[in-house]
Amino acid sequence: AQTVTQSQPEMSVQEAETVTLSCTYDTSESNYYLFWYKQPPSRQMILVIRQEAYKQQNATENRFSVNFQKAAKSFSLKISDSQLGDTAMYFCAFMTENRDDKIIFGKGTRLHILP
Amino acid sequence: KAGVTQTPRYLIKTRGQQVTLSCSPISGHRSVSWYQQTPGQGLQFLFEYFSETQRNKGNFPGRFSGRQFSNSRSEMNVSTLELGDSALYLCASSKGAEAFFGQGTRLTVV
Repeated sequence: AQTVTQSQPEMSVQEAETVTLSCTYDTSESNYYLFWYKQPPSRQMILVIRQEAYKQQNATENRFSVNFQKAAKSFSLKISDSQLGDTAMYFCAFMTENRDDKIIFGKGTRLHILP
Repeated sequence: KAGVTQTPRYLIKTRGQQVTLSCSPISGHRSVSWYQQTPGQGLQFLFEYFSETQRNKGNFPGRFSGRQFSNSRSEMNVSTLELGDSALYLCASSKGAEAFFGQGTRLTVV
């Protein structure tokens, strides 16, 4: 069975700083998808970034980038130039390639951006 | 393009009652998944429907059920509610390997 682990329950950083959220996962699959979702107080789950396991290049979306280490089963999220609006719960998530659309989530990291 | 719509946003029910939650996916999306989110257990997969067929089911008791209609709208039902069913229920609509979530239904069982 696949599992996703986020070891940082809560983090705080100053506005404009760079922060890295950690995530490790366990799977016997060779092809899969990894995601970072953001859930602000409004509860809306928003996809931040997606990585296909077969792609060696790390995904990037504006200020958000990932460090994907397939062999180590590690998938960290880096937020550059953090903004107050980045304050939210961040979930690391996994889905197999067979696209049964079952997403497995980590427990989340609560991120506070301080003014 | 409209997003995923979940209704109602909030519900308060009494133990023993049943409840039905609704989810309208993004137009053109045929896959709908449901998740339960609680502070203790986090986000847990309930079930997934594709073209009116349940393709996948999580580890929840039979009191939790769902269905999908021909227009891809989905409902989930919880019978004989228990206090532990209090949670945020999220619906996700998918096309390919990308899921879009609704704002959820906050269910409180008293």
